[in-house]
This record gives sequence, structure tokens and C-alpha cells, in this order.
Amino acid sequence: GDSVTQMEGPVTLSEEAFLTINCTYTATGYPSLFWYVQYPGEGLQLLLKATKADDKGSNKGFEATYRKETTSFHLEKGSVQVSDSAVYFCALLGQNFVFGPGTRLSVLP
Amino acid sequence: EAGVVQSPRYKIIEKKQPVAFWCNPISGHNTLYWYLQNLGQGPELLIRYENEEAVDDSQLPKDRFSAERLKGVDSTLKIQPAELGDSAVYLCASSLGQKDSPLHFGNGTRLTVT
Repeated sequence: GDSVTQMEGPVTLSEEAFLTINCTYTATGYPSLFWYVQYPGEGLQLLLKATKADDKGSNKGFEATYRKETTSFHLEKGSVQVSDSAVYFCALLGQNFVFGPGTRLSVLP
Repeated sequence: EAGVVQSPRYKIIEKKQPVAFWCNPISGHNTLYWYLQNLGQGPELLIRYENEEAVDDSQLPKDRFSAERLKGVDSTLKIQPAELGDSAVYLCASSLGQKDSPLHFGNGTRLTVT
């Protein structure tokens, strides 16, 4: 069945550092891909999405490009802030929404 | 627009007791999901509804879990009897059900079974 794999956390960075969180997927067909974020004490929120190969999703300085040849959807941000500290989930929509295990990011001032 | 509403936010019960969770999705969203989220893990699918029909319940432990979505709007998830291992956060989410439609999540119900 469909599955999503993410790099294990926690990831700890200093403010203004560059962020990459790797995500790869296995799916039949051509799924849509998403990144969700869960801030402390809050519910999951959509961060960005891409629905076809080579699409780039972006929001709040975060970007991810749908790479069909490598079945990847890595999340990047050029300069992280303390307020970006959260858990990030990669997800795909094929027949169902399937989520990765999440990657915890801590940004230190 | 109003978001996905779940209740209760927290529930503490003793093992072998029944428990029910309620979800009101975003108006007009025909697709509704129930997920289970253990601490430090991603959401795991329990059941998906399209309108009032459960189109995927393959991950629902049917010996103790049941769900319904009467009239294709609100949904209820029930556990009877609860076990210690059922302690988790139960998430409800809804979407328009199209290829690029994101899921909108409620805040979840945190269940503790003692």
C-alpha cells in the first residue's frame, strides 16, 4: 500500500540556519503531496501542497518540489525562526490520506 | 469558515468502559476521516467516509470500534470496551474530496484509559 517515509528527528538548528526535512513516498499512480505542521498544543495545519510532478508548493518561506523520478517531496526553508519549532508531517493523497511519522524541529535563538 | 469541531477535548475512562467521540466537519465537506495518533507518531487511518458511506474501514478494529456518519454530516466513533492500549489522540478531518483538496483537522480528543 501507499506509504511515506521521513527523516528521523529531532532536528535542532540555530535561528537563521537552512532547513531540509527529507520525505520520500511509495504510491501507485500519481498522488498529491502535502506538508502539514503541528505547533505545540495545536492541531495539524496544512503548510503547503503540490499536485503533480515538478510542481513547487510554498508558504511562509517553506518550499517543497514534487519529484516524481526520485519519489520525493523534501521540505526546505532558507532561514528558520524560533517560531518554526514544531512537528512536520509529510503526507500523500492517493486512495486515502497517508501520513509520515513526523519530524520534530527545534530552533534555538 | 468554521473549522472541524471535535468533542470532548479530553476523556479519562477506566478499561472495559465504553467511550464515544463526536465530530462535526466543515460544511460542504463530503469526505470525513478518523485517525488515531500515538505520541510521537503520525496519524494512522481508522476509517474514511464519502458522505454517509464508509468506503474504507479496513484499519478499524471492528471487534471493539464502531463508527457512523448519519445523514453524511456529523460522525461518531465509539470504543466498547476500551483497553489500555487505546490511549491516544483521536483526530477527525474533512475535505472536499478532490485530488488537490487538503485535509482540515479538528483539535482531536485525547483519550486516557486507566
